Amino acid sequence: DVKVTQSSRYLVKRTGEKVFLECVQDMDHENMFWYRQDPGLGLRLIYFSYDVKMKEKGDIPEGYSVSREKKERFSLILESASTNQTSMYLCATVRVGGLHYGYTFGSGTRLTVV
Amino acid sequence: AQKITQTQPGMFVQEKEAVTLDCTYDTSDPSYGLFWYKQPSSGEMIFLIYQGSYDQQNATEGRYSLNFQKARKSANLVISASQLGDSAMYFCAMREDRPYSGNTGKLIFGQGTTLQVKP
Repeated sequence: DVKVTQSSRYLVKRTGEKVFLECVQDMDHENMFWYRQDPGLGLRLIYFSYDVKMKEKGDIPEGYSVSREKKERFSLILESASTNQTSMYLCATVRVGGLHYGYTFGSGTRLTVV
Repeated sequence: AQKITQTQPGMFVQEKEAVTLDCTYDTSDPSYGLFWYKQPSSGEMIFLIYQGSYDQQNATEGRYSLNFQKARKSANLVISASQLGDSAMYFCAMREDRPYSGNTGKLIFGQGTTLQVKP
């Protein structure tokens, strides 16, 4: 089975800190995604990557950046954390040829910015 | 623009009864895929069922079935014989397929419906 690992389950950071959320997958999937989940809003796409060093903005990229230096790792960066970035962050991967079966998700990182 | 709408923030169902979770979508593309995911309180996202826009029959996976009404642009999830373990949040999602411009696999999600199963 594909495994998608997010480095932290819970994280508390201070306003203004630079925050790194890491996502690692072990099955050579090309495409990786970062979402944030908020009550009543569902999952909203922040950024995605379809290859090493390739990235595209999602629906809510403001305040975030990403890095994909290796195929298996996709990092989400909060350049200067703010309280409105307190949320659940979910990483997901998909194999281009396996689109029929949708995403494989990580277990999520619940980030609190104080 | 593509959009997914789940109009039921919360639902209750009695154990062993069937329940339908509503989902409507909007897209101008002829080719797309529809998904349902389950998220228990633990937070993990579990894939339940998939329906392709060209599939002639409604998808079924065990106790889950997808009531696909293409003309109405609805993709409701039906859970038969509800169990206590079905209590969770459920998300409907859509993927647009663009074989000539490159598929990204990107999904857009609805707001979610919280289902509680009563014993």
